[in-house]
Amino acid sequence: GAVVSQHPSRVICKSGTSVKIECRSLDFQATTMFWYRQFPKQSLMLMATSNEGSKATYEQGVEKDKFLINHASLTLSTLTVTSAHPEDSSFYICSARSAGETQYFGPGTRLLVL
Amino acid sequence: SQKIEQNSEALNIQEGKTATLTCNYTNYSPAYLQWYRQDPGRGPVFLLLIRENEKEKRKERLKVTFDTTLKQSLFHITASQPADSATYLCALGDTGRRALTFGSGTRLQVQP
Repeated sequence: GAVVSQHPSRVICKSGTSVKIECRSLDFQATTMFWYRQFPKQSLMLMATSNEGSKATYEQGVEKDKFLINHASLTLSTLTVTSAHPEDSSFYICSARSAGETQYFGPGTRLLVL
Repeated sequence: SQKIEQNSEALNIQEGKTATLTCNYTNYSPAYLQWYRQDPGRGPVFLLLIRENEKEKRKERLKVTFDTTLKQSLFHITASQPADSATYLCALGDTGRRALTFGSGTRLQVQP
């Protein structure tokens, strides 16, 4: 099946620093990638939709200047959490899809901001 | 507003029995519905997709039904095994908006 990787799997950073998370589709070209955030015992909340070569579409309440998304190629999207604060600590998950409806998820990145 | 409800209480069943999980939705007319499995600290894994014009879909020990009149999907795991223990998420999608909307998931615990 389709494989999506994320890097890093876990990151701990100091408040005020920026963190970049990479999402790659390994064996297919992803026309669209999605970024989700999941807090403990809660559902996945969509943050933004990213199409290759165009600006990301952010969900209401998600600050585009704080969560920078770059979808530079059909296999790579990056999420940069700028000036991270403790309330940004969460589980960040990306997903990718090609022409069909199925989304394939990455393994997630656990971010802890001290 | 759109709402997806999954039983937040954990479902505990004995090994070998059939597990049935429910997904109800309101204020939504999805074109398709997907079920995912999520283990702790991991990303969701796709299991099954069922479209609005399909009543039932099967894959090995898994069966999904989709009732657009009741606005409900049922997810069945037959001959359940302890390895089936996980959180199961339902997600709805439509043809216009490519993103999925997820329910909060139901935790299944299969006792040996």
